[in-house]
Amino acid sequence: AQSVTQLDSHVSVSEGTPVLLRCNYSSSYSPSLFWYVQHPNKGLQLLLKYTSAATLVKGINGFEAEFKKSETSFHLTKPSAHMSDAAEYFCVVSVLGAAGNKLTFGGGTRVLVKP
Amino acid sequence: NAGVMQNPRHLVRRRGQEARLRCSPMKGHSHVYWYRQLPEEGLKFMVYLQKENIIDESGMPKERFSAEFPKEGPSILRIQQVVRGDSAAYFCASSPAAEANYGYTFGSGTRLTVV
Repeated sequence: AQSVTQLDSHVSVSEGTPVLLRCNYSSSYSPSLFWYVQHPNKGLQLLLKYTSAATLVKGINGFEAEFKKSETSFHLTKPSAHMSDAAEYFCVVSVLGAAGNKLTFGGGTRVLVKP
Repeated sequence: NAGVMQNPRHLVRRRGQEARLRCSPMKGHSHVYWYRQLPEEGLKFMVYLQKENIIDESGMPKERFSAEFPKEGPSILRIQQVVRGDSAAYFCASSPAAEANYGYTFGSGTRLTVV
């Protein structure tokens, strides 16, 4: 079985400062890992994914994440927050099992960006 | 490519009525997944379908909920005799295959309100 823990339910940053969203996972097998963003009353948009290639993954809108197997972490970062980054972010693990590909979501981190 | 289309975007039902949620996957995608998001929570897996087959319904409540993905037409999530606790956002996602490294493409969701 796999699980995902997002260590912060809320993160508040000032515009122009770095953003760090923390995620730890557990999985019996080599996982694929994703970060999704959800703006208020919107669907989910894929930010980036790790699929056993390079451990530093670059995504859209200036986000990147680093897969650290020894720490079972997949933290999401952005060097400079923008007001439009205010949203909820989900760390997701995927493992291909007997019944196909099932995503397990973390509880989400809500990001507030202050002017 | 229109992406994953869900309708309606918003649905209001009185307790005891039926709710039917529709999902048209992306062109070329034959794998459909339904997830439920309760207020202030992450997404929880409900059911995974391929054309005319339910592959994994382990996340679906045993009573009142059913899902189908017919040979022709959209996937349907059906909730009979809705109760207040069914109020949630229901997201559909599709993928071209059951590979773990495919990020799903999500629809914008159907927000069900039971009054």
